[in-house]
Amino acid sequence: SYVLTQPPSVSVAPGKTATITCDGNNIANKRVHWYQQEPGQAPVLVIYYDTDRPSGIPERFSGSTSDNTATLTISGVEAGDEADYYCQVWDTSTDHVVFGGGTKLTVL
Amino acid sequence: QVQLVESGGGLVKPGGSLRLSCAASGFIFSDYYMSWIRQAPGKGLEWLSYISSSGSNKNHVDSVKGRFTVSRDNAKNSLDLQMSSLRAEDTALYYCARHRDSGRPIVFDYWGQGALVTVSS
Repeated sequence: SYVLTQPPSVSVAPGKTATITCDGNNIANKRVHWYQQEPGQAPVLVIYYDTDRPSGIPERFSGSTSDNTATLTISGVEAGDEADYYCQVWDTSTDHVVFGGGTKLTVL
Repeated sequence: QVQLVESGGGLVKPGGSLRLSCAASGFIFSDYYMSWIRQAPGKGLEWLSYISSSGSNKNHVDSVKGRFTVSRDNAKNSLDLQMSSLRAEDTALYYCARHRDSGRPIVFDYWGQGALVTVSS
């Protein structure tokens, strides 16, 4: 089955840029989506189809993919961005949804 | 506005059964695929199952296949998850989520707040 690997944690100072990676075999051939989950809350979609932002999501959030890595970039990080972030794809071979293990973003 | 409200969670003994429901409002429920996703305490997200807009097409992750069944009632704007042969490892917060687009690729644009299921003797 398809596996997505994320770093367990990323730390960044306020105002800096946070980069969260999601590794998967030939992930550039899939559509990658990203969710933000604040403590005690349901996940919220922040990036879909690799690079698109839902309405209401700040432009500070952006996504990209290359070969075997998808990346969520948060520029000008704010304290309110502290949350868990999950990448997700649809595995066409199994018709199953796959989530990465999640990355805890800490704002120093 | 889109609302998804799960219900039916609770404490159940190992081997027992439970039925979760998700009440949808604020959109044309019968136009959208839906999924169930769970999150064990302190753990990540695990997709469980999806059902097509008409209910004719379903899929489940292998770990729950044969034990969990997804269904829907479009007349009642309701999504269900029938769970049986429950195990301690099924303890989790169970979310229902709407698929953003009809069919594929699968991405979830709205989530409920979750229903807590605890499997313990």
